[in-house]
Amino acid sequence: KQEVTQIPAALSVPEGENLVLNCSFTDSAIYNLQWFRQDPGKGLTSLLLIQSSQREQTSGRLNASLDKSSGRSTLYIAASQPGDSATYLCAVRSYNTDKLIFGTGTRLQVFP
Amino acid sequence: DGGITQSPKYLFRKEGQNVTLSCEQNLNHDAMYWYRQDPGQGLRLIYYSQIVNDFQKGDIAEGYSVSREKKESFPLTVTSAQKNPTAFYLCASSIADRGNSPLHFGNGTRLTVT
Repeated sequence: KQEVTQIPAALSVPEGENLVLNCSFTDSAIYNLQWFRQDPGKGLTSLLLIQSSQREQTSGRLNASLDKSSGRSTLYIAASQPGDSATYLCAVRSYNTDKLIFGTGTRLQVFP
Repeated sequence: DGGITQSPKYLFRKEGQNVTLSCEQNLNHDAMYWYRQDPGQGLRLIYYSQIVNDFQKGDIAEGYSVSREKKESFPLTVTSAQKNPTAFYLCASSIADRGNSPLHFGNGTRLTVT
């Protein structure tokens, strides 16, 4: 059964720092991995989707990498800003179930 | 603007009452989903629909029911059989329920049952 883990559960950093959020999954047979952002009391906003054949995707200050063989993905945020404060969730779409399996998220706070 | 609309944003009900959560999308997506989010847990799939007039149970379907009479709409009914209905409910859609279709989410409905 696919399990998705995100570490750390919470992170607090000063503005301007580069930071890395981690996501690991137990079954490497996946279609894709997707990173989302969730603001308090809101829905999820898709940030990046990495296909299983890709190694990374970039959007602005965000870069997501995928290492299927080791079951890991990282979300790199460059020059963090207070507006980046949110919960970041990763989700994998497994061949087995063809459904998205979500991690529990990393709650990020960027202070001025 | 294309998107997914969930209503209401907050919903309060007494125990023993059924309640229906609305989800409408104008993205022309075939697939729609309902998730439940509880503190400290990942999103869990309740029901999903790949096409009009068809839907399947997700991981935690007990105590819930859905319908998909129109492409744009996928309402979720939380019945009195659901033992712990208080939660944040999220509706999502994708172009198709296939491997590489990204999901788009609504802003959620927070249901409180007392």
